[in-house]
Amino acid sequence: AQSVTQLDSHVSVSEGTPVLLRCNYSSSYSPSLFWYVQHPNKGLQLLLKYTSAATLVKGINGFEAEFKKSETSFHLTKPSAHMSDAAEYFCVVMIQTGANNLFFGTGTRLTVIP
Amino acid sequence: GAGVSQSPSNKVTEKGKDVELRCDPISGHTALYWYRQSLGQGLEFLIYFQGNSAPDKSGLPSDRFSAERTGGSVSTLTIQRTQQEDSAVYLCASSQRRLANEQYFGPGTRLTVT
Repeated sequence: AQSVTQLDSHVSVSEGTPVLLRCNYSSSYSPSLFWYVQHPNKGLQLLLKYTSAATLVKGINGFEAEFKKSETSFHLTKPSAHMSDAAEYFCVVMIQTGANNLFFGTGTRLTVIP
Repeated sequence: GAGVSQSPSNKVTEKGKDVELRCDPISGHTALYWYRQSLGQGLEFLIYFQGNSAPDKSGLPSDRFSAERTGGSVSTLTIQRTQQEDSAVYLCASSQRRLANEQYFGPGTRLTVT
């Protein structure tokens, strides 16, 4: 069975401080992992993806995530938060079988305080 | 070219009425997905189309929900006899092919059933 757990429903950081959004997954297969961002009234945008290459993945807007198989984690980080980072972030597991092959976490809302 | 588009962006309807939601995928993308995003929830898979194959309808919550994809391109999601619990954002996504490729999401249709 596949599942994704985003440990925090809401994270609040000050502008210029580091961001950590946590994600743990469970998968019976070797998964691909993604982080998507959703700004208010906008569609989901891919931030970064892990597909069994390098375990440290760099994405857009200065975000990166590290795949840790031993911890079944794929936490999203950014060294310095910007006001424009305020959005909802979704961790996603993709498996290579079945039509319903994307499994979404429930999301983490990031608030950036000026 | 253009991304995935959806219309309408917002739809308010009375309980019991039928609604149609439209999705225009990215040109050349053979796979098309519909998801539902309810408040505070992750994305719920509804239905998947791949080329000319029969769609995977395993995620449709009831027989009031149906979807078509004409000519392998535009898709319409129809909800008959809407209920208040149908209120959600309905997201459409497309990809070049199902396996290993990221999905590109549209901005969604916010459906409110009063």
